[in-house]
Amino acid sequence: NAGVTQTPKFQVLKTGQSMTLQCAQDMNHNSMYWYRQDPGMGLRLIYYSASEGTTDKGEVPNGYNVSRLNKREFSLRLESAAPSQTSVYFCASSQPTRRGEAFFGQGTRLTVV
Amino acid sequence: AQSVTQPDIHITVSEGASLELRCNYSYGATPYLFWYVQSPGQGLQLLLKYFSGDTLVQGIKGFEAEFKRSQSSFNLRKPSVHWSDAAEYFCAVGDSGNTPLVFGKGTRLSVIA
Repeated sequence: NAGVTQTPKFQVLKTGQSMTLQCAQDMNHNSMYWYRQDPGMGLRLIYYSASEGTTDKGEVPNGYNVSRLNKREFSLRLESAAPSQTSVYFCASSQPTRRGEAFFGQGTRLTVV
Repeated sequence: AQSVTQPDIHITVSEGASLELRCNYSYGATPYLFWYVQSPGQGLQLLLKYFSGDTLVQGIKGFEAEFKRSQSSFNLRKPSVHWSDAAEYFCAVGDSGNTPLVFGKGTRLSVIA
């Protein structure tokens, strides 16, 4: 049982390049989330999807787009990467019956130069 | 809106000493409360959670936390710290199964011999 799987684990981008971070969960959870983690800032919510077919903005959505491809997969896209998007990105999932308890992937460390 | 405050950015304790990490939350009703731990380069792992009932909850790795409604606190404790406990600890609050958790900024724990 893999839980939440993120790819890639590491990525270096040049300013202006685009890329998509992939996330898949095998726990049949309805809700999925993308957070970014920066030193001293904790985890900040970028986007979330409460169920298949729905997405909502979080605290820091600017510069990102998301797609809830199906119940398992939730991708995060950077259309034109900026150095301010250098961060560690975490995908998580949860199920309402578990009262919001989130299960996290191992993270993607992204550097934009 | 919910919020979580972790007053201590960095704490250093000696191996074998006791530990208390502070967490204060802001939420109108009874919150769902969580503590997560993040080892270097890893994702977040759930230590323990409080939903209702007994205000003292036990978690993994010998950790416990006490919910105090009057103080809006959910402090994490461990009677005897081990070197392997060195990590970053995050407190989080949720209000239902469908909304994302709100995280504090984290407390980094260092353990010295």
